[in-house]
Amino acid sequence: AQSVTQLDSQVPVFEEAPVELRCNYSSSVSVYLFWYVQYPNQGLQLLLKYLSGSTLVKGINGFEAEFNKSQTSFHLGKPSVHISDTAEYFCAVSEGDYKLSFGAGTTVTVRA
Amino acid sequence: GAGVSQSPRYKVAKRGQDVALRCDPISGHVSLFWYQQALGQGPEFLTYFQNEAQLDKSGLPSDRFFAERPEGSVSTLKIQRTQQEDSAVYLCASSLVRGYNEQFFGPGTRLTVL
Repeated sequence: AQSVTQLDSQVPVFEEAPVELRCNYSSSVSVYLFWYVQYPNQGLQLLLKYLSGSTLVKGINGFEAEFNKSQTSFHLGKPSVHISDTAEYFCAVSEGDYKLSFGAGTTVTVRA
Repeated sequence: GAGVSQSPRYKVAKRGQDVALRCDPISGHVSLFWYQQALGQGPEFLTYFQNEAQLDKSGLPSDRFFAERPEGSVSTLKIQRTQQEDSAVYLCASSLVRGYNEQFFGPGTRLTVL
């Protein structure tokens, strides 16, 4: 069984500054990796996913993530955040082809 | 276009009551998922349907939880004899087919058991 650890529960950041959200996973098999964003009172929205191929994955809204198999990590970043990036971010892992296991989430608060 | 919708958005139940939560997936989506999200936690998998067949119910926490999707579209998650520990947001998601396809999530139903 896999597990997902998001290393930061809250990340405050100033507008136009860079942000990195850390995610580590444990699994005995190959995995597929995802980042979701949840805005207040809304459902989860997929930011990006890694299935295979290039370890650097670009997603929506200027986010990107890098898969590091040796460190079992999938950290998410954005070079310059906006107020509208204030949300909760979830890292998720799938060993099979449907069931997602989520981390506990990271709350990003962007301040002017 | 219409996304995944869930109703009710909020539900307050007294301990011991039965509740039914509804999910309308995106039209044509074959796969449907239910997740439970406790306060301050990430979503946890409950069950999975492919069309009307419930292929995985390994995440249902007890036999008080029951899910169905009789015609392969709308799904209902029923919780019998609710307990305080059932308080959570229940998320529904659908995807076009089984596989590495994006799961589209609904806004969730927040259940509070008093």
